[in-house]
Amino acid sequence: EADIYQTPRYLVIGTGKKITLECSQTMGHDKMYWYQQDPGMELHLIHYSYGVNSTEKGDLSSESTVSRIRTEHFPLTLESARPSHTSQYLCASSELSGGWHGYTFGSGTRLTVV
Amino acid sequence: QKEVEQNSGPLSVPEGAIASLNCTYSDRGSQSFFWYRQYSGKSPELIMFIYSNGDKEDGRFTAQLNKASQYVSLLIRDSQPSDSATYLCAAPPVRGGADGLTFGKGTHLIIQP
Repeated sequence: EADIYQTPRYLVIGTGKKITLECSQTMGHDKMYWYQQDPGMELHLIHYSYGVNSTEKGDLSSESTVSRIRTEHFPLTLESARPSHTSQYLCASSELSGGWHGYTFGSGTRLTVV
Repeated sequence: QKEVEQNSGPLSVPEGAIASLNCTYSDRGSQSFFWYRQYSGKSPELIMFIYSNGDKEDGRFTAQLNKASQYVSLLIRDSQPSDSATYLCAAPPVRGGADGLTFGKGTHLIIQP
């Protein structure tokens, strides 16, 4: 079944650690996105990609980085985690015409940095 | 700066009644709009999109778009307790902006049994 997967679902990690949040999709979508959402707040776009070797920063400044070496895989990395990075991170994908069809979201990673 | 505005609520509606959710947007260039439903602790799921003025119906859901007044609404008929969630309005990018949907803060809907 075509889907989009995020791992881990929950992560509690100490300050200063390097972390990578995984996102994979089996739908063959070219466009992929990372959003950040604090509890009760709106989603903010932090990164997006049009396809392999394409990465762009979103509206919200973020210390994280992303890579897109394969169409299906769009990992997000924090080199040195801080408590301010505590949030929910949502990955999404869409066809190139995503403006008409919307996104499919993964189940999210809830990150807590202590 | 493109903005999508929603009343955060909570909006409380008795079971079986019509729930009406509203969204306004600032960018007149926006051509289409999306409604997502997000249950607490879960990720958003797409329930409707609309790109033409007027109404679009899908089961118990009706989306309404008025481009002249720059608002879009979602009506939920015969509201059920399972409809209790946060409803997010979103607009796609226009030229020159970051290429991702802009979301409103969402309206928290409570359906009272």
